[in-house]
Amino acid sequence: DTEVTQTPKHLVMGMTNKKSLKCEQHMGHRAMYWYKQKAKKPPELMFVYSYEKLSINESVPSRFSPECPNSSLLNLHLHALQPEDSALYLCASSQGASGRANRLSTDTQYFGPGTRLTVL
Amino acid sequence: RKEVEQDPGPFNVPEGATVAFNCTYSNSASQSFFWYRQDCRKEPKLLMSVYSSGNEDGRFTAQLNRASQYISLLIRDSKLSDSATYLCVVNVVNTGTASKLTFGTGTRLQVTL
Repeated sequence: DTEVTQTPKHLVMGMTNKKSLKCEQHMGHRAMYWYKQKAKKPPELMFVYSYEKLSINESVPSRFSPECPNSSLLNLHLHALQPEDSALYLCASSQGASGRANRLSTDTQYFGPGTRLTVL
Repeated sequence: RKEVEQDPGPFNVPEGATVAFNCTYSNSASQSFFWYRQDCRKEPKLLMSVYSSGNEDGRFTAQLNRASQYISLLIRDSKLSDSATYLCVVNVVNTGTASKLTFGTGTRLQVTL
């Protein structure tokens, strides 16, 4: 089973709202990722969590706040977003590896269906 | 120069045709390579990993040339259901514990009757 689930599927929010996106996987993966994808563009990495610790923040604005409550769950908290933040937000997970570069060379990421976010 | 470059297409081919996509990457430290398929308004789905020895999965064949930093995907006997965007993806392992993927812009394929 290579399933990553995301909720909600669609979200419309105003610029003053606070909302959260949720992602879950039960594959025992230890690395989880948030990506943002605009229309006709490839996914852009936002955050990487590895073993429940934030490993990479790709200079994402602070209005996006990730959280990893446990190894199966990844949240993205949204606050004071701008209309240009409207996009498809994708979660992914992978096996990850603790300091084993040879295992990481075959690490494969599996994507959830995404949350389509519209900021008004 | 983009880290991963692909011809954006679109490639319009008739059913049954053979079509080839190419991709080049700039980081010689790249560790692993993938083709993902993405349908309109859906998530990317792993099509296949790409190995130096070349690998085949049914109608799909992928090749990697590390010396030229070049990756290819060949689709034989195209089906209507192959219509999608094909993303060339490169993994540069630099985090120690998680992979970091770099995506090409994707090549759009449209298979017609």
